[in-house]
Amino acid sequence: DAGITQSPRYKITETGRQVTLMCHQTWSHSYMFWYRQDLGHGLRLIYYSAAADITDKGEVPDGYVVSRSKTENFPLTLESATRSQTSVYFCARSEARDTGELFFGEGSRLTVL
Amino acid sequence: DQQVKQNSPSLSVQEGRISILNCDYTNSMFDYFLWYKKYPAEGPTFLISISSIKDKNEDGRFTVFLNKSAKHLSLHIVPSQPGDSAVYFCAASGPTDSWGKLQFGAGTQVVVTP
Repeated sequence: DAGITQSPRYKITETGRQVTLMCHQTWSHSYMFWYRQDLGHGLRLIYYSAAADITDKGEVPDGYVVSRSKTENFPLTLESATRSQTSVYFCARSEARDTGELFFGEGSRLTVL
Repeated sequence: DQQVKQNSPSLSVQEGRISILNCDYTNSMFDYFLWYKKYPAEGPTFLISISSIKDKNEDGRFTVFLNKSAKHLSLHIVPSQPGDSAVYFCAASGPTDSWGKLQFGAGTQVVVTP
């Protein structure tokens, strides 16, 4: 058990709609991340957060918004969904660098029509 | 431009044999490398890592080798088992990267046949 719960697991939406993907950790790890997985690209970092109220952009942040008002929650919002945002989204948590480990949730598969 | 490359999208290996997965990187500042394993409909799970101060790290059936001069790492799985059938991602980070800011390769699909 990675201690990360993502919802919804599957979502179909239309271009232009706002979508929020939820992420909740049962631990109190400082670091949380959002990655997207696309064929041919592996996983790419969208946003990350080092602590509550501290967020920063990753490699592909355009079109996404995050917030972290509580340590355990890290929602990802697509303000106006586009077809290029069709992907599988993974939330992850981490404790410390020297463990070398990110704990990933099971993913949220988003389809934008 | 991808800084971590896995040039083999797939690999088929017989049960009991060795699986060798390769990964190349272009950023000489990377100092920490990881391998993750992913089953369908699940999140990636950490497998093994190596720091740039080492050239080998072993954990059971899994060994990662790092060749810094060639900017190349490889994952050896010996012996391969059917449960090893999964997608394997290579990842890297640098000393100035905040923890968890990993650069991932595109992945290699491993199929272990009986």
